[in-house]
Order: sequence, then C-alpha cells, then structure tokens
Amino acid sequence: DAGVTQSPTHLIKTRGQQVTLRCSPKSGHDTVSWYQQALGQGPQFIFQYYEEEERQRGNFPDRFSGHQFPNYSSELNVNALLLGDSALYLCASSPTSASQFFGPGTRLTVL
Amino acid sequence: RKEVEQDPGPFNVPEGATVAFNCTYSNSASQSFFWYRQDCRKEPKLLMSVYSSGNEDGRFTAQLNRASQYISLLIRDSKLSDSATYLCVVNTGSGNTGKLIFGQGTTLQVKP
Repeated sequence: DAGVTQSPTHLIKTRGQQVTLRCSPKSGHDTVSWYQQALGQGPQFIFQYYEEEERQRGNFPDRFSGHQFPNYSSELNVNALLLGDSALYLCASSPTSASQFFGPGTRLTVL
Repeated sequence: RKEVEQDPGPFNVPEGATVAFNCTYSNSASQSFFWYRQDCRKEPKLLMSVYSSGNEDGRFTAQLNRASQYISLLIRDSKLSDSATYLCVVNTGSGNTGKLIFGQGTTLQVKP
C-alpha cells in the first residue's frame, strides 16, 4: 500500500513565476492538508481539502490556492512567487481520525 | 506568543541516557496531541499520540497535562538512531477536521 506521494521532489523557480505541486493521499484517506516548512521551523498549516472543498485555511495570502479532485488527490498552486516562498511543502492525508500522515515533500527554491 | 512552544535545543546526550522534552500550547480548546519525529530533510512521521492518562511505547513515554497545557516526551535508554528533531503537535479540531499546529521542534543528538 503506497503512502502519501508528492511530485515533483525538487523545483527551482524564479520570482514572479507560478508553481503547481501535486499530492496523492494514502489509500482510503479522503482529507488532504498542505503545510509549508521553512528551514529550522515547524510546518505551518496552509489549507485543508475535503470532498473537493477547502474546509479551512491558515494565515497564507490568496496567492496560495488549491484543488482536490474526485479521487482525493490534490494540487497546491502558488502565484507570483517570492523569495520567501522557498521552503519544503508537505502534503498530509488523514482518514477519519486526527492523525495525519505526511508525504516526502516538495522542496521549492525561488531565485 | 507562538501557539505551540518548544525548546529548540539541541540536546546532546550519550547513548543510554534518559532525555525529556517539554512543550506548552496556548489554545485550551485543543482536541488532540501528538509527537512527530523528523529526520534531516525528510517528512515528519508520527511517533505517538498523547493522552491525559499518559501512554508508553517501548522506550518512549508521553504525557499530557490539560490544566497546565503542557505536553512531555521521555526517551529512555537513548540510541544513536533516536537522533532527530522531535515536533510537538496540537490538533485544534475534532477527528480529522482540525489543522495541526506544530512547535518549532527540539533537536536531539545522541552521541556514542
């Protein structure tokens, strides 16, 4: 049984560009959450998707948007990239319990 | 004030030592609590859930004090492989509806 998968593994972009990150949840998990982890910090909650709707959102600007597909996979889009958006982006999926299981992350570098 | 606060360390201990990590959280309505472990440049992995009654998993013991809004993790007989960052995590919602709030993490380095 595959765990949470994310693509791509690494990505380099320049300021002002747009990026799309992808996540496939663990089998049987219908809820997907996205987190941003800057170097030396704990992950910060971006938003959560359930039944193809954004269920809740953290303190991130509208440049961060997402989508969930009928098969529960999800995308994170970031527009107008800033240098400060450089981070590890983590996707986590969860079943009905509170525990969340993380994918390996996408490391985004903005130059 | 951060919602979840941890001493970032690093904690440098010899093999076989007992080490304790603490964290405090600010939202008294928090519903569930966890410790995650994160190895360098890897994703966080669930180490254990934390309950008010205290719970143990092998060499690891976790404790929650709701009145003091305090969470602890005790590692006995430290192994080299325990070297990692330990993240204190609070879930603000019920079931899978909540968001995870992470502390900064505490770095543990176990030396031979």
